[in-house]
Amino acid sequence: EAQVTQNPRYLITVTGKKLTVTCSQNMNHEYMSWYRQDPGLGLRQIYYSMNVEVTDKGDVPEGYKVSRKEKRNFPLILESPSPNQTSLYFCASSLFGGSGNTIYFGEGSWLTVV
Amino acid sequence: SQELEQSPQSLIVQEGKNLTINCTSSKTLYGLYWYKQKYGEGLIFLMMLQKGGEEKSHEKITAKLDEKKQQSSLHITASQPSHAGIYLCGADNSGNNNDMRFGAGTRLTVKP
Repeated sequence: EAQVTQNPRYLITVTGKKLTVTCSQNMNHEYMSWYRQDPGLGLRQIYYSMNVEVTDKGDVPEGYKVSRKEKRNFPLILESPSPNQTSLYFCASSLFGGSGNTIYFGEGSWLTVV
Repeated sequence: SQELEQSPQSLIVQEGKNLTINCTSSKTLYGLYWYKQKYGEGLIFLMMLQKGGEEKSHEKITAKLDEKKQQSSLHITASQPSHAGIYLCGADNSGNNNDMRFGAGTRLTVKP
């Protein structure tokens, strides 16, 4: 089954404790991205990757890092999480980074930073 | 600030009624996507529109993109409780999916 898998789905952590949210897709997609969803603000793009070893900042990259060492994986790293990073995070992928490609989303990861 | 405006923000309808959700952009849309989301869950792809004047339907849901490619509407006919959720429009303003913008969403409640 074609899917985008995120882990963990739910996490409560403390300020400053590094964490990684993993994302994996099994569709051989080149394009992957991370979004955060906050009430009233909709989905905002954090980082995206057009292909392996190619990553770029989205609208709200501050406080986040990503890496794309393999095509299927695109982890989101919070080096020193802060409470304002409490949010619902989505990983997404599409075949290519061009319009006309259906974007598939993961189930989401609820992150709470206390 | 949001470059995609969705209206209404929330909508409560009686089962069986028709409804329309709108998505407006100040920029030309290279691709317009409609997704449905159950609260706190993932986004389910509904439809994608690319050409001005394009219209697509799936079961009781119809989406249209206007000729100028700056406005899209999602119309649900004879709504059912299963249609309840948050509807999000997303748009590609650059042509290469790295400038995707999403509206804030429309929360739909369908009363039995």
